[in-house]
Amino acid sequence: QKEVEQDPGPLSVPEGAIVSLNCTYSNSAFQYFMWYRQYSRKGPELLMYTYSSGNKEDGRFTAQVDKSSKYISLFIRDSQPSDSATYLCAMRIQGAQKLVFGQGTRLTINP
Amino acid sequence: DGGITQSPKYLFRKEGQNVTLSCEQNLNHDAMYWYRQDPGQGLRLIYYSQIVNDFQKGDIAEGYSVSREKKESFPLTVTSAQKNPTAFYLCASSFDRATNEKLFFGSGTQLSVL
Repeated sequence: QKEVEQDPGPLSVPEGAIVSLNCTYSNSAFQYFMWYRQYSRKGPELLMYTYSSGNKEDGRFTAQVDKSSKYISLFIRDSQPSDSATYLCAMRIQGAQKLVFGQGTRLTINP
Repeated sequence: DGGITQSPKYLFRKEGQNVTLSCEQNLNHDAMYWYRQDPGQGLRLIYYSQIVNDFQKGDIAEGYSVSREKKESFPLTVTSAQKNPTAFYLCASSFDRATNEKLFFGSGTQLSVL
């Protein structure tokens, strides 16, 4: 079993829809959670960073962490074609140097 | 503009050949990393360096080597011992050597085998 599981998709939704991207993890020691966005053949860029359970909002993006269920989500409101990308979740144990990445979910927003 | 520059964008390797991927950053970051990305898989850590003249193996270091002679540069050599080198290689850096969540990535190098 992988430490971090992420549905690879692909996920295709119409413009304006609310998108929900999810990751589950098995190691309860993970304390820091990130979402990265990666456009095709580019390097990932950090989108959201959280370290506690609950919600964090930034514009159209909301990151949600549920440590009791070992589940994190990224919600995108009013999705735009420019949101079409691969979204990678990542997480880290306190004191550890290594980030553990999910497989990435490929998202397409159709005009 | 500050950032991370990877070169070349595309690279082809012949069997038995060593190739070197370049990574340069002007962000004044202490820590630098090399990741490998295969289709449908997450990023896997090859090597990382928290300070000049020091580096550590990641999860898949076999068949790869690195050096960190300057703060700005962290080249990766894919040796002939790496039997399945075809992948997208990403270099990254972070300001805080102790925590590496906020990674800044380069645009990647696609390595293919001839």
